[in-house]
Amino acid sequence: DIQMTQSPSSLSASVGDRVTVTCRASQDITNYLAWYQQKPGKIPKLLIYAASTLQSGVPSRFSGSGSGTDFTLTISSLQPEDVATYYCQKYHSAPLTFGGGTKVEIK
Amino acid sequence: EVQLVESGGGLVKPGGSLRLSCAASGFTFSTYSMNWVRQAPGKGLEWVSSISSRSSYIYYADSVKGRFTISRDNAKNSLYLQMHSLRAEDTAVYYCAKGNWNDVGGEIDYWGQGTLVTVSS
Repeated sequence: DIQMTQSPSSLSASVGDRVTVTCRASQDITNYLAWYQQKPGKIPKLLIYAASTLQSGVPSRFSGSGSGTDFTLTISSLQPEDVATYYCQKYHSAPLTFGGGTKVEIK
Repeated sequence: EVQLVESGGGLVKPGGSLRLSCAASGFTFSTYSMNWVRQAPGKGLEWVSSISSRSSYIYYADSVKGRFTISRDNAKNSLYLQMHSLRAEDTAVYYCAKGNWNDVGGEIDYWGQGTLVTVSS
């Protein structure tokens, strides 16, 4: 099975900083990758699919890139409301594996 | 508005059984794959099982294979997860989640609020 590895597991950054989260697949998944945001005590929310397509309603400060095995989620200017755990997921075939998550906090 | 409402969670003893249900509305249920995803307390998201739109394809995580059974009733717009031989490590919030493909796969575009399953003696 394909493994999904996220890094870092947590990060702390200042408001306005550019934040980057990385997700690596153990095999080529082309662009079948999604990013989810889960705020504390809330349900997950789809941010990005097809590696770089922003879900409707998601602020444009979020962006995704990558293909094959290496993917990146970028928050161009971190806002207080972005405090959350972010997960990547491969979805082209089962198992629909999630990465371990990256917890983003404000410094 | 898409709504996914889970029910059936609760406290169960190790080795026991439980059946989760998910009532779907606001979309054409019969044309989308559905998933169960769980989250143990303080832990990350774990995919549990998926079923295609017409139940033609079903998949399970290795951790639940042989113990859990996913099913759906398109006439009732409902998704189910029958869980047997429950273990302490199955303790989690179980989310019903809509896939964006009719076949198994696709990004998850909607999530239910979750139902808590606690396995403890």
